Amino acid sequence: RKEVEQDPGPFNVPEGATVAFNCTYSNSASQSFFWYRQDCRKEPKLLMSVYSSGNEDGRFTAQLNRASQYISLLIRDSKLSDSATYLCVVNGGADGLTFGKGTHLIIQP
Amino acid sequence: DTGVSQDPRHKITKRGQNVTFRCDPISEHNRLYWYRQTLGQGPEFLTYFQNEAQLEKSRLLSDRFSAERPKGSFSTLEIQRTEQGDSAMYLCASSLAYGNSGNTIYFGEGSWLTVV
Repeated sequence: RKEVEQDPGPFNVPEGATVAFNCTYSNSASQSFFWYRQDCRKEPKLLMSVYSSGNEDGRFTAQLNRASQYISLLIRDSKLSDSATYLCVVNGGADGLTFGKGTHLIIQP
Repeated sequence: DTGVSQDPRHKITKRGQNVTFRCDPISEHNRLYWYRQTLGQGPEFLTYFQNEAQLEKSRLLSDRFSAERPKGSFSTLEIQRTEQGDSAMYLCASSLAYGNSGNTIYFGEGSWLTVV
C-alpha cells in the first residue's frame, strides 16, 4: 500500500464552485500533515498545515481524521487562480516528509 | 531574496557525465532536504541533513548519488555517471526543526536535469 494516496484527477470545476479533495495515509504514527500547492514546473509551496481540530484559511478548509487516516481539503468559491496541483504531505516516518502524487485541479471560466 | 536558492536552475548533460547541484537554504534553518520529482509524480525524498550531519538516505539514493553539507550551511548533490533515468527536477528544501517536532519545509525553485 502506498504511504500517501490521492486521486490524481484532473478535477474540472466551474469557477465559483466548491471542490473537495481527500488523501489517505498508511503510517498511523504520522504526526504532522500539510497541503502544498504546486503550479506547473514550479516548486511546491505550503498552502496550509492540517490540525486535528480542523483549520480554515479564507476559502480553504483542511480537516484531519486520525481514526480513518485521511486528510481533506475544501476550496470554496473557487477562482481561476486556484488551478494547480495540490499535494498531500505527511510527516512522521523515518524519511521526513512523504508526498502524495498530487491532485490536479482545473478551474474553468 | 531570503528563500532557498538552487543553482543551476537548468542543466543538460550527456549520459555518463557528472553533475553537481548546489543549494543555499534559508539562513537560520538547520535542516536541509533533497527531493527528486518527475513528471506526474510528487516529490520523492532523497536525503536530509540536520546541520552538517546526514541523518537519512532514501533507497532511491544509489551509489552514484552523493550529498554533502560540510559546514552546515549550503549543500551539494552530485550525480556521477548520469543516466537518462536521472532526468528530473531536483528540489532542495529547508526547515527549522526542534527534535522530532513537525516542521514546515520551504522549497527552492528546483534544478532541472536533462540527461541526453
